[in-house]
Amino acid sequence: GAVVSQHPSWVICKSGTSVKIECRSLDFQATTMFWYRQFPKQSLMLMATSNEGSKATYEQGVEKDKFLINHASLTLSTLTVTSAHPEDSSFYICSTGTSGPFYNEQFFGPGTRLTVL
Amino acid sequence: KNQVEQSPQSLIILEGKNCTLQCNYTVSPFSNLRWYKQDTGRGPVSLTIMTFSENTKSNGRYTATLDADTKQSSLHITASQLSDSASYICVVSAGYQLIWGAGTKLIIKP
Repeated sequence: GAVVSQHPSWVICKSGTSVKIECRSLDFQATTMFWYRQFPKQSLMLMATSNEGSKATYEQGVEKDKFLINHASLTLSTLTVTSAHPEDSSFYICSTGTSGPFYNEQFFGPGTRLTVL
Repeated sequence: KNQVEQSPQSLIILEGKNCTLQCNYTVSPFSNLRWYKQDTGRGPVSLTIMTFSENTKSNGRYTATLDADTKQSSLHITASQLSDSASYICVVSAGYQLIWGAGTKLIIKP
């Protein structure tokens, strides 16, 4: 399957600052990438779907002005948490999407742990 | 409403024992059902993907079953190892939309 990396793996920042998380598809041209958020002891929640060269599609309840997504190339998507607050502390995971003849597949990155003080 | 429910929420078993995790779903339209393993602090890793016509699929010591009539799936782990300690998540695909279960946290004790 596709190899997906994320950087940084963890970040601690002060409240009010912005944090950028990178998601790279190392061996696969990802036209679609997905961004998830996972709070402790909960399952993944889809935040947005990112398509290369176009605007991201955000899930209901996710503020697009707060979580800026840029998918400028087939191998890189970035998520910027603007004016981060403690409630934004979470585990952020990206994944790539593929389309097969019978089903779609997703390969997940290792995640980024964000802690906002 | 599309839903995926997993049971049990958590499970503790001794190393070497077998266990079965359950997944019930109400998702329409149904595309496929996946089981993921997620280690603490890591992204999910796919174990199996099953389409409507597949009843069982194995991946090493992991065997998943699917009953499309009753909308139930199970994940059976044989001869458990310490490295099997993780959360196991059942995910049902409705086209490009994924409906995530809350997961079962499995702990293997020596």
